[in-house]
Amino acid sequence: SQQGEEDPQALSIQEGENATMNCSYKTSINNLQWYRQNSGRGLVHLILIRSNEREKHSGRLRVTLDTSKKSSSLLITASRAADTASYFCARETSGSRLTFGEGTQLTVNP
Amino acid sequence: DGGITQSPKYLFRKEGQNVTLSCEQNLNHDAMYWYRQDPGQGLRLIYYSQIVNDFQKGDIAEGYSVSREKKESFPLTVTSAQKNPTAFYLCASSKPGIFGGYTFGSGTRLTVV
Repeated sequence: SQQGEEDPQALSIQEGENATMNCSYKTSINNLQWYRQNSGRGLVHLILIRSNEREKHSGRLRVTLDTSKKSSSLLITASRAADTASYFCARETSGSRLTFGEGTQLTVNP
Repeated sequence: DGGITQSPKYLFRKEGQNVTLSCEQNLNHDAMYWYRQDPGQGLRLIYYSQIVNDFQKGDIAEGYSVSREKKESFPLTVTSAQKNPTAFYLCASSKPGIFGGYTFGSGTRLTVV
C-alpha cells in the first residue's frame, strides 16, 4: 500500500481550463509535496506545504492541505499543453522519507 | 550545474546476472534514495542513506543492495535474487531539515532479457 490515494487516476481537459488533482493519506505528516513527471523522465519538485499551512501558491499552482481530513489538492490554473504529465503527491512522515501516491495522469488537449 | 546523474539510461540484464546502477550527485546533499517505478504506478522506496557509510532498507529492499562510501555516490546493485527486476529506477537526494523537496535523476530503465 502507498498509504494514500490520488484521484482521479487520469484527467483530460482542454487548454485554458483548470485541473484539480486530489490526494488523501492515512498517517500524520510533517509536510506534503507535489511532483511532476514527464513520460520516461525523473520527477521534478513543484511545491511543498507544511502540516501547519493550509494553502500555498506558486505561479499557476495552488495547493491546499486539510490535515483534519488528511487530504490535499493541487490546482493548475489556465492549463497549457505543456502541463501534460503525471502528477504525484508525496507525504513526508519521518526521517525525510517520502511516500508517493500512484499519481494522476493529466492530459491537456490543445 | 548541480544535479544528479544516473547511468546508464538503459540497461539490459540476463537472467541470473547482477547489475549495478550508478547515481552521482554534486549538490552536497547528505541524504540519497533509490526508488523503483513500475508502469503506470507510483514510486516505491528500495533503500535510503542519510549519511555516508550508513543506509536503511526501504519498503522493497529484497533482492537489492547498496553502498554509500562517498557522499556523492549511492550505487544500487540489482542481484539475481530480485525475481522481477524490470522497472524504471530513480535516484534522488535531499538535504534533511531543509524544506526543499527531493532532487531526482533522470532514471535508469532496466530490462531483463
